[in-house]
Amino acid sequence: QVQLVQSGAEVRKPGASVKISCKASGYSFTSYAIHWLRQAPGQRPEWMGWINAGDGYTRYSQNFQERLLISRDTSASTVYMELSSLGYDDTAIYYCARRELGGVLYFVHWGQGVLVTVSS
Amino acid sequence: DIQMTQSPSSLSASVGDRVTLTCRASQTISTYVNWYQQKPGEAPKLLIYFASNLQSGVPSRFSGGGSGTDFTLTVSSLQPEDVATYFCQQSYGAPWTFGQGTKVEI
Repeated sequence: QVQLVQSGAEVRKPGASVKISCKASGYSFTSYAIHWLRQAPGQRPEWMGWINAGDGYTRYSQNFQERLLISRDTSASTVYMELSSLGYDDTAIYYCARRELGGVLYFVHWGQGVLVTVSS
Repeated sequence: DIQMTQSPSSLSASVGDRVTLTCRASQTISTYVNWYQQKPGEAPKLLIYFASNLQSGVPSRFSGGGSGTDFTLTVSSLQPEDVATYFCQQSYGAPWTFGQGTKVEI
């Protein structure tokens, strides 16, 4: 079965960076794109960016363009999301999600989420 | 960016009620809308994709409709396990944006 397993909770100080992993299993890793979304407490999900796990192509939301880096390790079937210059408003749960094949974008499979807390 | 606005923000209904949630896009987006259900502490769960397609394994009491700018998610007979927050998401173009959610209570 398809699984996306993310790394554990993180606490960072303002100005620091955080790197979260998303390990995929149960499918051909390089055949799908992985997207990253986040959700602040009590808020709607916010799309951050995506990576084509096959060729490594990435695209980022303009809201994160200058401080977001998404990468992948095909040998480990793992995608990474690194967010730098953290501020208090980056406190959120960060999810990876797999885009289904086909022309229409939607997310069936999600990671369990990682709580990132930015606190001094 | 395409703005998605949901109404109402919350509702309370009884078991067995027919419930309709609404989502409006800031521009026409054909039928590029998905609906997700989210329970506390869980990731969102896909219910409906491309406005009206029921995701495999989702109960048939859930249905979606609409096109252009106005979309609906209907629960034909509300069940206790449907207590959750429901989000619409546009899949017309990046950045892929979500509505603010409708919290459904019983």
